[in-house]
Amino acid sequence: EAAVTQSPRNKVAVTGGKVTLSCNQTNNHNNMYWYRQDTGHGLRLIHYSYGAGSTEKGDIPDGYKASRPSQENFSLILELATPSQTSVYFCASGESGVSNERLFFGHGTKLSVL
Amino acid sequence: QQKVQQSPESLIVPEGAMTSLNCTFSDSASQYFAWYRQHSGKAPKALMSIFSNGEKEEGRFTIHLNKASLHFSLHIRDSQPSDSALYLCAVSPTGFASALTFGSGTKVIVLP
Repeated sequence: EAAVTQSPRNKVAVTGGKVTLSCNQTNNHNNMYWYRQDTGHGLRLIHYSYGAGSTEKGDIPDGYKASRPSQENFSLILELATPSQTSVYFCASGESGVSNERLFFGHGTKLSVL
Repeated sequence: QQKVQQSPESLIVPEGAMTSLNCTFSDSASQYFAWYRQHSGKAPKALMSIFSNGEKEEGRFTIHLNKASLHFSLHIRDSQPSDSALYLCAVSPTGFASALTFGSGTKVIVLP
């Protein structure tokens, strides 16, 4: 099955610090996504990418940057972390143009900003 | 911006019963509709998807889509305790699973 790996699994950061969440996929999918999950909000899209070198803003991009240096890797960067960014972050990959397309999610990164 | 809402927020059903979940969306131009399931502490995993109006069945799971009513649903026949999970509906404006907008989820508990 398609594999998406996130690191770290858990992260504690201080307010104002820089945080980088990493994601690697071995599916050779063009599209990658970063979502955050909070109780009562489901999954909300932060940034996504259609291929190496491209990033697009999702529904809640403020306070986040993204980087897609290669087909396999997609990072989410919090330059100045705030307590409101405490959440579980999921990375996903998927392929456009496939009739039975679905997203494959990583196991998530639990981020606590103190 | 697309709004996706799910009902009910939570549901308790006995083993063997039918589980029915609802999802409404706001953008009438939406073309791709999917259900994901997330067991506690795990990653969301795709269950099934549909593009056109009507019904699609896969095993114990059935999706109904009514674009005119901006509504689709998931029905689980013969519910099992292993079906206990958070169910997320998702909608995309294109025909592909790109930039999906998710609902807030329905928590389902199936009692043995």
